[in-house]
Amino acid sequence: RKEVEQDPGPFNVPEGATVAFNCTYSNSASQSFFWYRQDCRKEPKLLMSVYSSGNEDGRFTAQLNRASQYISLLIRDSKLSDSATYLCVVNMRTGSARQLTFGSGTQLTVLP
Amino acid sequence: DGGITQSPKYLFRKEGQNVTLSCEQNLNHDAMYWYRQDPGQGLRLIYYSQIVNDFQKGDIAEGYSVSREKKESFPLTVTSAQKNPTAFYLCASKVANSNQPQHFGDGTRLSIL
Repeated sequence: RKEVEQDPGPFNVPEGATVAFNCTYSNSASQSFFWYRQDCRKEPKLLMSVYSSGNEDGRFTAQLNRASQYISLLIRDSKLSDSATYLCVVNMRTGSARQLTFGSGTQLTVLP
Repeated sequence: DGGITQSPKYLFRKEGQNVTLSCEQNLNHDAMYWYRQDPGQGLRLIYYSQIVNDFQKGDIAEGYSVSREKKESFPLTVTSAQKNPTAFYLCASKVANSNQPQHFGDGTRLSIL
């Protein structure tokens, strides 16, 4: 089982739609969680951190369910510019070092 | 502006040649990382360093080497032992032993001639 799993998609949605991505992680001791966005042939960029109480940033809402070990990202009123790959990232403790583990990403295409 | 700089943006390697990818950061981060990304796939960790003069193998270290002589710099050498080096290489840094996210350079695309 992968340490961080995401549905690879692709998700093809019309402009204005609401779309949700889920991500599960295997290590119950995981410390922190993030969503990154990666455009084609570019580096990943931090979209938002995910807090235990859930958090919102404009059209984006992130939630964490520690009991079920999953995080989610909800995008409302999707725009063409939201088309990208969304990476779920979990900060796991590995031995004495903390390192981030990346999911393989979920591809989103917003259609006009 | 603080950030991470990777160079070159594009690199071509001949058979049997070693090449070195540069990564420099001025964010005062102790921890630095090298990832490899293949088309349509996620990031795989090659090497990471939590502090100067120390580094650890990641999941796919074979055929690669690194050094960490300065806090700001974490160069990656792709050796001739790496038989399939064509990929997108990403360098990242973060505050060590913290819950803060990583910041990425804009990557180097390596291809075989």
